[in-house]
Amino acid sequence: QVQLQQSGPGLVKPSQTLSLTCAISGDSVSSNSATWNWVRQSPSRGLEWLGRTYYRSEWNSNYAVSVEGRISINPDTSKNHFSLQLNSVTPEDTAVYYCARIISAAGINWLDTWGQGTLVTVSS
Amino acid sequence: DIQMTQSPSSLSASVGDRVTITCRASETIINFLSWFQQKPGTAPKLLIYGASILQTGVPSRFSGSGSGTYFTLTISSLQPEDFATYYCQQGYGTPQVTFGGGTKVEIK
Repeated sequence: QVQLQQSGPGLVKPSQTLSLTCAISGDSVSSNSATWNWVRQSPSRGLEWLGRTYYRSEWNSNYAVSVEGRISINPDTSKNHFSLQLNSVTPEDTAVYYCARIISAAGINWLDTWGQGTLVTVSS
Repeated sequence: DIQMTQSPSSLSASVGDRVTITCRASETIINFLSWFQQKPGTAPKLLIYGASILQTGVPSRFSGSGSGTYFTLTISSLQPEDFATYYCQQGYGTPQVTFGGGTKVEIK
């Protein structure tokens, strides 16, 4: 059974960098049939996909237009985890952040596993 | 981006009722549609993927149908543990997956 365990601070000051890590058990960050994603949830924006990293002969990443230029999602194969960095945060970045796995099989894909969530508050 | 519109945004129902939630996509998503259940303070839980495939361990009172742009989630006989918020999610327009706005199912 795949499990995702998040870690990172719950309070970040405006203009600083939000950093979270997601540790994977039961699968590999280098899997050829999974992508590793970050999603956030807030009352104003609902559930919002932020980006992903995945390995298909080489490492790839994709980001939502809403955060492109401020975001970086990176794998760490030695620790079997992946991380989120979001720069220049504002109070609008306050949300519950989730890491999540999307798997692909039989021509479809689905988001089957979530981390426990981390409430990140942006405030001075 | 593909937009997902759920209706209703909330509903009140009694234990034993049949409940149907709808989700419309702004363009065709074939069958790349999942449904999630979320209870306060917890992560969403996958119920259905591929529009109609029941995730392992999910009770059979949950079912999904639809294709193209119109999808439904049906709970055949609402149970006390089913009071929660439900979300649809499309995975066709990768990499950008998008979610519906949610439907809160409350006790009448």
